[in-house]
Amino acid sequence: SQQGEEDPQALSIQEGENATMNCSYKTSINNLQWYRQNSGRGLVHLILIRSNEREKHSGRLRVTLDTSKKSSSLLITASRAADTASYFCATDKGGSSNTGKLIFGQGTTLQVKP
Amino acid sequence: DAGVIQSPRHEVTEMGQEVTLRCKPISGHNSLFWYRQTMMRGLELLIYFNNNVPIDDSGMPEDRFSAKMPNASFSTLKIQPSEPRDSAVYFCASTRLASRNTIYFGEGSWLTVV
Repeated sequence: SQQGEEDPQALSIQEGENATMNCSYKTSINNLQWYRQNSGRGLVHLILIRSNEREKHSGRLRVTLDTSKKSSSLLITASRAADTASYFCATDKGGSSNTGKLIFGQGTTLQVKP
Repeated sequence: DAGVIQSPRHEVTEMGQEVTLRCKPISGHNSLFWYRQTMMRGLELLIYFNNNVPIDDSGMPEDRFSAKMPNASFSTLKIQPSEPRDSAVYFCASTRLASRNTIYFGEGSWLTVV
């Protein structure tokens, strides 16, 4: 089964509003990543947060990680119509060996209305 | 630098036919992943290779699916015989093992089996 699960499954907001997406996972991790997928395209990496980090920023993106709750959130501030896409969290399996294997959640579909 | 290159981008084939999907990873990357994406099941990891060696093929749905990586710059995913339920987008992705697992996706191969 998939490691990560996002909620909500779909989110519709007005341009300028903030969008928050959540991800929960089941096992220990080394890091958690967020990816974006535009319709008909491949996934693109947005941001990575390590298991010993609690918050990370990149431009209008803010990611938090709570390892005690096995959850993460992605906040997009001041959203734009161009942010319309699906957003996925991805986790590896914790431990010392880095196998490179990433498991993706089901994704949140974000629509930003102009 | 060229990204992950997949071919064909679109394929429509009849049930029972053999399908071969091709992938050229980013030069210098030593891990390669094959994912399948459908509306029902989301993004599933089928198989991945490290240094051209298959590490985990537990996601390969059936014996009809096979994957090879004869060298560092080429991989194939083969379905024989194909069935309508194989219709999906198949993504190839690659990374350097030392890069904390940030992976780079191709644009996908859109397969329709009729």
